[in-house]
Amino acid sequence: AQKITQTQPGMFVQEKEAVTLDCTYDTSDQSYGLFWYKQPSSGEMIFLIYQGSYDEQNATEGRYSLNFQKARKSANLVISASQLGDSAMYFCAMREPSNDYKLSFGAGTTVTVRA
Amino acid sequence: DAGVIQSPRHEVTEMGQEVTLRCKPISGHDYLFWYRQTMMRGLELLIYFNNNVPIDDSGMPEDRFSAKMPNASFSTLKIQPSEPRDSAVYFCASSLNGYTFGSGTRLTVV
Repeated sequence: AQKITQTQPGMFVQEKEAVTLDCTYDTSDQSYGLFWYKQPSSGEMIFLIYQGSYDEQNATEGRYSLNFQKARKSANLVISASQLGDSAMYFCAMREPSNDYKLSFGAGTTVTVRA
Repeated sequence: DAGVIQSPRHEVTEMGQEVTLRCKPISGHDYLFWYRQTMMRGLELLIYFNNNVPIDDSGMPEDRFSAKMPNASFSTLKIQPSEPRDSAVYFCASSLNGYTFGSGTRLTVV
């Protein structure tokens, strides 16, 4: 069964606007961690933001914020004030103790920022 | 901290040849992971180590693939013999709490 689902294969966003990338997950663990990574065309995997399942506040890192809805098992990434350099593939990933802390990745969402 | 270092960045080889990919994890990280990324299958975990010991190699596609971690600062992923379908980007990542990825090795088997 798919542990991480990213339903949006590609998205376009206007520069300076906000964009929300969807991520839903499946786990029976009570304690788990959710990650978002950015992969630009150069290929490296860049860590963006982390949300622990017991964190009471939604995680924020600069222009990145995570809309964590535990009951819905969703962890959407919000990028505010989009920049041209935000054009990239974005991956949602989960770490679960029952899976020995391996990272399970979604299929990714390609974001293209238009000037 | 130089991050996770992978070499080579690019590798082009002929079918049937042996390929060795290298990874130097971040000092102090106790987990090391090898991932493969393709358009068709996305990011797949091949194998991972904890304190230099292989824990789970169920993602290794075939016996042609092998991985070693002789010490805490070095790991290799070997493909012998290589085939065109092995063409992919191979990532190494190390972890203590978070996960840090190397820049990847883009392998092309012709």
